[in-house]
Amino acid sequence: DAMVIQNPRYQVTQFGKPVTLSCSQTLNHNVMYWYQQKSSQAPKLLFHYYDKDFNNEADTPDNFQSRRPNTSFCFLDIRSPGLGDAAMYLCATRRGTEEKLFFGSGTQLSVL
Amino acid sequence: TQLLEQSPQFLSIQEGENLTVYCNSSSVFSSLQWYRQEPGEGPVLLVTVVTGGEVKKLKRLTFQFGDARKDSSLHITAAQPGDTGLYLCAGARDNYGQNFVFGPGTRLSVLP
Repeated sequence: DAMVIQNPRYQVTQFGKPVTLSCSQTLNHNVMYWYQQKSSQAPKLLFHYYDKDFNNEADTPDNFQSRRPNTSFCFLDIRSPGLGDAAMYLCATRRGTEEKLFFGSGTQLSVL
Repeated sequence: TQLLEQSPQFLSIQEGENLTVYCNSSSVFSSLQWYRQEPGEGPVLLVTVVTGGEVKKLKRLTFQFGDARKDSSLHITAAQPGDTGLYLCAGARDNYGQNFVFGPGTRLSVLP
């Protein structure tokens, strides 16, 4: 059974049109992450939540926002997608300081 | 900035061959992880190494953490087509292990 679920698997949006990606988890993990992975590149951390505490990476563009309304759900909002934002977006969870990250299957975002 | 480099970037071998891929950094990491990512899926954790010089085995996969905790290697014996995928290493960025920095990965193809 999937434990970290990302919807949709594939998302197509238009240049400048806001888009929201979603992530849910059944693991009750208190830490949730959003990574951006472009082709042939390393996953890049955008932000993470430790419980309700939001932590933004210094180089994450202001165009990217996140919401975590409860433990189970986390959203990534891209306010005005540009062509350079086309990528795989990965959600991951973690329990406390345990070392294992659990990843979802990702959402592949295309920007036309 | 802690950066991880991985080599080779691409590797294509025949079934039954042995191979070694590398993960290197100029920074010291408190722990290092190896993940495998298949196309269209999120990364899945293979192993975590913590102690300098540590060697861990997972069936045909052997992982080693460098004595100085700056580098790691993954050796696969008698590779099989099922080993095909993107192998990512990730270093814990701080002593609390809150965040991980990923390398760009080695894309392995094992041909039958």
